[in-house]
Amino acid sequence: DTAVSQTPKYLVTQMGNDKSIKCEQNLGHDTMYWYKQDSKKFLKIMFSYNNKELIINETVPNRFSPKSPDKAHLNLHINSLELGDSAVYFCASSLGQGGQPQHFGDGTRLSIL
Amino acid sequence: EDQVTQSPEALRLQEGESSSLNCSYTVSGLRGLFWYRQDPGKGPEFLFTLYSAGEEKEKERLKATLTKKESFLHITAPKPEDSATYLCAVQGSGGSQGNLIFGKGTKLSVKP
Repeated sequence: DTAVSQTPKYLVTQMGNDKSIKCEQNLGHDTMYWYKQDSKKFLKIMFSYNNKELIINETVPNRFSPKSPDKAHLNLHINSLELGDSAVYFCASSLGQGGQPQHFGDGTRLSIL
Repeated sequence: EDQVTQSPEALRLQEGESSSLNCSYTVSGLRGLFWYRQDPGKGPEFLFTLYSAGEEKEKERLKATLTKKESFLHITAPKPEDSATYLCAVQGSGGSQGNLIFGKGTKLSVKP
């Protein structure tokens, strides 16, 4: 059983389109995250979210928005895609936020044409 | 500002040749230091959490240690299947709002 699963694995689309990436975790965790890994393989936090609080990294454009229908899901919506959005996006989850390890999905590779 | 620096960027070893990876960090109020392994096309796989200076954790050929300024990941008698990128991350209680701050990783290649 996959603990953190993301769909799709690959996403190729045109500049200006709107797209979504889905994430689901079956670990019973209460906190979920989105990360961006750029071409240099540097992993950077975009959002962290639990039932009560959304924390947004201030460098993330407001074209990106997380949406959580329930505790096990955190989807990422991206509007008006730009060339610079090409990257691998990882979803992760943890049990709480204080000193707990995060468990990652296998990523969604987004390519903007 | 919380920061993580890993060295070397890349490391090539012969099978059985032990070595260490370094993770230097600055953080406001360490909540935890984490080591992950990442294989190509996969997400980071959790290895260890260290919470305080002097702490050590072991798993098979890997041993992680922690001081107040750095962590080491020691690899004893590595095998080709240990080839991967190893990531270090810290979580602090200050301005990073508890999020993980990652280093850029060390790419390890183990040749048979």
